[in-house]
Amino acid sequence: DIQMTQSPSSLSASVGDRVTITCRASQSISRYLNWYQQKPGKAPKFLIYAASSLQSGVPSRFSGSGSGTDFTLTISSLQPEDFATYYCQQSYGTPLTFGGGTKVEIK
Amino acid sequence: EVQLVASGGGLVQPGRSLTLSCAASGFTFDDYGMHWVRQAPGKGLEWVSGISWNSGSIDYADSVKGRFTISRDNAKNSLYLQMNSLRAEDTALYYCAKDISTAVGGRFDYWGQGTLVTVSS
Repeated sequence: DIQMTQSPSSLSASVGDRVTITCRASQSISRYLNWYQQKPGKAPKFLIYAASSLQSGVPSRFSGSGSGTDFTLTISSLQPEDFATYYCQQSYGTPLTFGGGTKVEIK
Repeated sequence: EVQLVASGGGLVQPGRSLTLSCAASGFTFDDYGMHWVRQAPGKGLEWVSGISWNSGSIDYADSVKGRFTISRDNAKNSLYLQMNSLRAEDTALYYCAKDISTAVGGRFDYWGQGTLVTVSS
């Protein structure tokens, strides 16, 4: 199975900050990497697919990069509605696997 | 508007069975793969199972293989998860999720609200 490791597991940031979350795969997954946002009590929301393609309707302050084993999700200017938990997920092969999540909290 | 409404969760004793359903609307159901993803209380996301548009391709997480069965009825726009030999570690909120492709591609663009399964004596 492909293991997905996110870092950090949590971070505190202020509105307007630039935030970067890292995701590492245990083997190369090319660009088969997706990102989701989950707010408390809600279902996850699809943000980014194929490492860097923004899902329709997602604000442009979100961006993704990387290939192979190392990936990043960047929020260029954190907004109040962005405080949530973010998950990476590989779609290179089954079993599909998620990272452990990164909780973005208000400083 | 895409809607995925999961149902069938509840409290069940270890070793017993339960069937979850997911009613889909707002899109052409038989054009897309579908999945079940679960989340234990306070924990992260775990993919459980996926099924292609025509049920020709099905896959499971190792943790449920041999105990859970995914199926779909395209005439009823519905997805199912038959869960047998339930264990305490199956306790979770179960989400149904739509794939962006016809296959078990693994990109989930829409999610239901989830149905809670609690396995306890």
